[in-house]
Amino acid sequence: QQQVKQSPQSLIVQKGGISIINCAYENTAFDYFPWYQQFPGKGPALLIAIRPDVSEKKEGRFTISFNKSAKQFSLHIMDSQPGDSATYFCAASYNNAGNMLTFGGGTRLMVKP
Amino acid sequence: KAGVTQTPRYLIKTRGQQVTLSCSPISGHRSVSWYQQTPGQGLQFLFEYFSETQRNKGNFPGRFSGRQFSNSRSEMNVSTLELGDSALYLCASSLPGDTIYFGEGSWLTVV
Repeated sequence: QQQVKQSPQSLIVQKGGISIINCAYENTAFDYFPWYQQFPGKGPALLIAIRPDVSEKKEGRFTISFNKSAKQFSLHIMDSQPGDSATYFCAASYNNAGNMLTFGGGTRLMVKP
Repeated sequence: KAGVTQTPRYLIKTRGQQVTLSCSPISGHRSVSWYQQTPGQGLQFLFEYFSETQRNKGNFPGRFSGRQFSNSRSEMNVSTLELGDSALYLCASSLPGDTIYFGEGSWLTVV
């Protein structure tokens, strides 16, 4: 059972544009929603995370928007740069799950110069 | 501060063999979890250990096992390897309720 659905699978954006990746979840017990960035040959690295008590969180060029009623959250990358080209994963977990993250399928982002 | 360290980084095994992968968490982190990453199935949770006890387990067959030592280092073992076990195996560690940090993974190829 895929509990976190991520779209699109791949995304091409021009330099300076906005990259938007969407995720939807099913388990209403989830209360922690991180986004990870993964470069080829590397492990995933935490980019930004949000808890359901806020609807938006911004860190630099990266923003998470969270819609609890729709059970959806999204990552916006403003002023996308070629160095942002990577695979992005959304994930979810709940407080009693320790480090058990449920990941979305991933989005391969390419930012064209 | 050193990150999560995984060894070996790359290995090739034959079907039917077994493999042991090692993970050293970030100093002070007592929670260690393992994930399998494949192109087809994505990132899937294998199991998590905290203070030498398995706290959570994913939906994998019993051929996949793990353990954690008193110094928080962890190992995972896969017995009777199958071609489908070829994957990147990722270890992650964290403090309770804090950011989960991943290592660079161990690439396992089963031939």
